[in-house]
Amino acid sequence: DVKVTQSSRYLVKRTGEKVFLECVQDMDHENMFWYRQDPGLGLRLIYFSYDVKMKEKGDIPEGYSVSREKKERFSLILESASTNQTSMYLCASVAGGHLGYEQYFGPGTRLTVT
Amino acid sequence: KQEVTQIPAALSVPEGENLVLNCSFTDSAIYNLQWFRQDPGKGLTSLLLIQSSQREQTSGRLNASLDKSSGRSTLYIAASQPGDSATYLCASGAQKLVFGQGTRLTINP
Repeated sequence: DVKVTQSSRYLVKRTGEKVFLECVQDMDHENMFWYRQDPGLGLRLIYFSYDVKMKEKGDIPEGYSVSREKKERFSLILESASTNQTSMYLCASVAGGHLGYEQYFGPGTRLTVT
Repeated sequence: KQEVTQIPAALSVPEGENLVLNCSFTDSAIYNLQWFRQDPGKGLTSLLLIQSSQREQTSGRLNASLDKSSGRSTLYIAASQPGDSATYLCASGAQKLVFGQGTRLTINP
């Protein structure tokens, strides 16, 4: 079974702090994604990565950056947390090849910025 | 730009009923259509993936169909159970997925 894990289920940070959200997948997938999910807005793509050290902006990258130093790990960084970044953050890993791009998600991190 | 819509936003049915959840999309040149389940406060669990060349996929009591010409996908749940209560999301795309807003399903015992 594909497993995608996220470093924290719940996180509370103060405005202005630098925040790191970690995601690890154990299936050697090349493609990883960060989404945020908000009531009424659904899931929105923040950043994605096709390979180590490769990254591309999604639909809402402002205020975020990412790091992919190893294939299994994809980190989302909030450079200076703000209250409008309070949200559920979801990481996903994509299986390619014969599996036809089925995305697998982690359990989510509920971030509150006060 | 692909847009994905799920109507209704919420659905409540008695236990044991068969039901259909709807998903519509604007661009018929889709790559894949994936259905997910999400329990409150949790991540997404992949249920079924229909590739562009396929018409349907089945897993247990679930059957998903894809009709590209009409821009629709349906998720059929047979003999619904209270444990099926969750939000169901559909998403279209190859790598970058475009999600619908989801249908919140409640199965009443």
